[in-house]
Amino acid sequence: QSALTQPASVSGSPGQSITISCTGTSSDVGGYNFVSWYQHHPGQAPKLMIYEVTNRPSGVPARFSASKTDNTASLTISGLQAEDEADYYCCSYTSRGPYVFGTGTKVTVL
Amino acid sequence: EVQLVESGGAVVQPGGSLRLSCSASGFIFDDYTIHWVRQVPGKGLEWVSLISWDGGHTYYADSVKGRFTASRDNSKNSLYLQMSSLRPEDTAMYYCAKEISLLAVAGTGLDSWGQGTLVTVSS
Repeated sequence: QSALTQPASVSGSPGQSITISCTGTSSDVGGYNFVSWYQHHPGQAPKLMIYEVTNRPSGVPARFSASKTDNTASLTISGLQAEDEADYYCCSYTSRGPYVFGTGTKVTVL
Repeated sequence: EVQLVESGGAVVQPGGSLRLSCSASGFIFDDYTIHWVRQVPGKGLEWVSLISWDGGHTYYADSVKGRFTASRDNSKNSLYLQMSSLRPEDTAMYYCAKEISLLAVAGTGLDSWGQGTLVTVSS
């Protein structure tokens, strides 16, 4: 099962908005509304930021939002803050199952 | 508060075996599927395995199928990953993580993760 494709890095200044894409196939991202996003600070446990494409768990700031169109999911961080600097991974349920992660994106706050 | 704590990571020689444990608290353990996810140093996350709430369903990534076996003891709120025929490419931080939804095998996502335990396969 090949990893979902994400950009290696995305950067932005504090207060700006950035978007991370996550591209898969009709067997994963495009076939199910089961995409989740994780924030991972090195040395810490990954943290769930979005589940089932658009849902934010309690405690996750509203500046994190997500969507999906066809085989591509996207995570947007609005009003970027210094503490948002981390690695971000998408994850999808897959028919070749059960889960496949994205390649990961390093977010840098300039 | 949900807590997952992994243990058992070690340095092991190629071809060797190791058993990882994951101890859970703060939720009804026998209602949830638990997953193992690993991260090779400097690389991304890779889903490894899952075991359903009752142990009735197990799934494995192709990279570990036939070598790793997941099990659980619901009376001890504990999960295990028996790893055999270990290879250098199995070197990674191994995390256990809880499926979001009650009595779901997979799909909704992973809402709680442990801090991980490091496995190093090297001679």
